[in-house]
Amino acid sequence: DTGVSQDPRHKITKRGQNVTFRCDPISEHNRLYWYRQTLGQGPEFLTYFQNEAQLEKSRLLSDRFSAERPKGSFSTLEIQRTEQGDSAMYLCASSLGITGELFFGEGSRLTVL
Amino acid sequence: AQSVTQPDIHITVSEGASLELRCNYSYGATPYLFWYVQSPGQGLQLLLKYFSGDTLVQGIKGFEAEFKRSQSSFNLRKPSVHWSDAAEYFCAVAPKAAGNKLTFGGGTRVLVKP
Repeated sequence: DTGVSQDPRHKITKRGQNVTFRCDPISEHNRLYWYRQTLGQGPEFLTYFQNEAQLEKSRLLSDRFSAERPKGSFSTLEIQRTEQGDSAMYLCASSLGITGELFFGEGSRLTVL
Repeated sequence: AQSVTQPDIHITVSEGASLELRCNYSYGATPYLFWYVQSPGQGLQLLLKYFSGDTLVQGIKGFEAEFKRSQSSFNLRKPSVHWSDAAEYFCAVAPKAAGNKLTFGGGTRVLVKP
């Protein structure tokens, strides 16, 4: 399968713990996006990268959130000191260029107890 | 700020009947417009997109959408629904300067009756 893959698919953690999600985009795609989707809502933009450069961060991304894309390949999204409000599906997507089709992964579901 | 409204949270349709999902957007200039489908346990899949040109856009799985500038709308249609079309559908917009930075609507869940 050469689509966007995300790991882990599910994560249950206790409030205050740190979690990290990984996204492997389609190999030739230079743009990588992170979105968050809560139950019954549409996805909300968090941040995106062009190659290894993080070009924009949403105001939704508090300082507890950090994303990286070393070497312009896979990306990680870390949430420190998780809160119950962080419970959501975290979606990763990649594209080739600014107008290339956005391909989404199946998401990483986070539950904070 | 740009926004996308999908007025219908749920729609139930009989198999074989036609389907129309509404989408209205608020944005200063005509953005890029998209429809995505999300089936349970699967990632979002692009159905179709409008960048410019012909206002009637054909997509995958027999879907089409019509862009109406005067109404700031981009409604999705399918003439005859199949049971496999049961899913959640999202309309999304993106400014032309950042073509893939999408703002999504809240989604419409489609249930298909046999």
